[in-house]
Amino acid sequence: SQKIEQNSEALNIQEGKTATLTCNYTNYSPAYLQWYRQDPGRGPVFLLLIRENEKEKRKERLKVTFDTTLKQSLFHITASQPADSATYLCALTTGGGNKLTFGTGTQLKVEL
Amino acid sequence: DGGITQSPKYLFRKEGQNVTLSCEQNLNHDAMYWYRQDPGQGLRLIYYSQIVNDFQKGDIAEGYSVSREKKESFPLTVTSAQKNPTAFYLCASTPGGGGYNQPQHFGDGTRLSIL
Repeated sequence: SQKIEQNSEALNIQEGKTATLTCNYTNYSPAYLQWYRQDPGRGPVFLLLIRENEKEKRKERLKVTFDTTLKQSLFHITASQPADSATYLCALTTGGGNKLTFGTGTQLKVEL
Repeated sequence: DGGITQSPKYLFRKEGQNVTLSCEQNLNHDAMYWYRQDPGQGLRLIYYSQIVNDFQKGDIAEGYSVSREKKESFPLTVTSAQKNPTAFYLCASTPGGGGYNQPQHFGDGTRLSIL
């Protein structure tokens, strides 16, 4: 079955720097990969979706890359702010394509 | 504003008791999902429904039941057969009948604990 690995250790960075989070997967390449943000005690909020034939996707300060050779997606937040502190989840398709498999998430802390 | 409402926010269950978690959406979405989130684990799919009066088991359906009598509502019952029910439960929806190219919209969850 598909397995997703996200760094379980929290990532601490200074305000203004670029945060880079990693999502690695095993087995077959998904057709689509999604990134979500989750705040404590809240549900995840969708951020970006990238297709397997897209190398990169951007939205404001966010950028996602998708490397099917490395079986990896990178999620970047440029000019990070304390308000960006949250847990970030990656998710990809499995099976017939109507279900998502989620990673465990990586906690990001942006310090002043 | 449209969205997904989950209630209650916190729920306590006694041993041997069934409890029902509510999930209502006013997004006019066809598909709805229930996930369970435990510390250190990714979201795990319990049940999903792509259309009214139809639903499918997810990866961890044992000890749970659902119904989908209305498009807007997808309640989850945690039965006494679920031996480890303490978790954060999340309801989600997608516009079409589900699909890997559709972002999921989530509610803010119900935290269930055992007394």
